[in-house]
Amino acid sequence: QQQVKQSPQSLIVQKGGISIINCAYENTAFDYFPWYQQFPGKGPALLIAIRPDVSEKKEGRFTISFNKSAKQFSLHIMDSQPGDSATYFCAARSDKLIFGTGTRLQVFP
Amino acid sequence: KAGVTQTPRYLIKTRGQQVTLSCSPISGHRSVSWYQQTPGQGLQFLFEYFSETQRNKGNFPGRFSGRQFSNSRSEMNVSTLELGDSALYLCASSYDRAGYEQYFGPGTRLTVT
Repeated sequence: QQQVKQSPQSLIVQKGGISIINCAYENTAFDYFPWYQQFPGKGPALLIAIRPDVSEKKEGRFTISFNKSAKQFSLHIMDSQPGDSATYFCAARSDKLIFGTGTRLQVFP
Repeated sequence: KAGVTQTPRYLIKTRGQQVTLSCSPISGHRSVSWYQQTPGQGLQFLFEYFSETQRNKGNFPGRFSGRQFSNSRSEMNVSTLELGDSALYLCASSYDRAGYEQYFGPGTRLTVT
């Protein structure tokens, strides 16, 4: 019940396209859902986060969509760029932060 | 504002040895969390500290321990190292007591031979 399931494991997108990464959870005690971006050799960087009382949050090209009834949330990267190529992790927190398994995104020019 | 710093960045140890990793949080942040990242298990929570008190602990053996000092700096210790302890150890800090917005350091890459 503490798991966060993330898909797909890898994603290849053309430059300018939309990248979509999905996560699902079971624990209704989760009350904070961040997304992290990690480049090789670096620590994860907080990208955007949402609380369950909001259905959507947008910051620049990054949007989180949140469906509380379905216990799902997703990250949309609009106008994907080669510089967005990285591993993305969703996470959820109740008393600790639980991470999804990660999605390796490759954006080709 | 300087980010989270971790030392050392790379470490090679032998099975059976012990190791201490250090983390300095962002100035003003009082909550520090530690994570282990491996290709097989992903990012796993180790423990979390706030104001020198351990708030939460993950599902790791007692060989893994940590502490936080009065200046919010934190250390984690792994005793009797095993090959499976080879991983990237990440420290994250947050301002609030609940530890929501966590900012990660670059990690310490530990290799156990």
